[in-house]
Amino acid sequence: QQQVKQSPQSLIVQKGGISIINCAYENTAFDYFPWYQQFPGKGPALLIAIRPDVSEKKEGRFTISFNKSAKQFSLHIMDSQPGDSATYFCAATGTYKYIFGTGTRLKVLA
Amino acid sequence: DAGVIQSPRHEVTEMGQEVTLRCKPISGHNSLFWYRQTMMRGLELLIYFNNNVPIDDSGMPEDRFSAKMPNASFSTLKIQPSEPRDSAVYFCASSLQGTNTEAFFGQGTRLTVV
Repeated sequence: QQQVKQSPQSLIVQKGGISIINCAYENTAFDYFPWYQQFPGKGPALLIAIRPDVSEKKEGRFTISFNKSAKQFSLHIMDSQPGDSATYFCAATGTYKYIFGTGTRLKVLA
Repeated sequence: DAGVIQSPRHEVTEMGQEVTLRCKPISGHNSLFWYRQTMMRGLELLIYFNNNVPIDDSGMPEDRFSAKMPNASFSTLKIQPSEPRDSAVYFCASSLQGTNTEAFFGQGTRLTVV
């Protein structure tokens, strides 16, 4: 009930391509769905987040798609750049819980 | 604001020793989280404080782990006795108001138990 399943574990994309990372959750009480980006040696930092009352949120090249009925959400990175190479974590939060997925290592080839 | 400050950045200790990790959250934030990050298990929530009170410690792996938050500007995570399997990066994070908002992470403490 408290898990957030994230896939794929790793992803290699050509520069300019689209990176897609998927997450699924079980607990319908979750009400905030952020994505975090982590570079080596650093703590995770918020990239973009969505609440369940909307189905999509876009900020620059980053878009979250949210499917409440399927309990799934995904991160799309358009025009992927080498600087986007990092580990990405989805998360789902609710009362007293802030649960992270297992992470996706993204490598964007120049 | 300097962000969430953790100390030390690196800690190497021998098995059986006591280890204390420290965290200073962002001023004004009322929620604090301790996470452990490993390659195998990703980011695991260990404990969550709200207004200095431990709300959920179900993620604390065993009695060897304990956490305190004596005031709004300081928290500790203690491991006694430490074991090699405790080796990981430990992150502290704080948020302005509870769990349905952005969490700001510190730089982490890399713990190695030999």
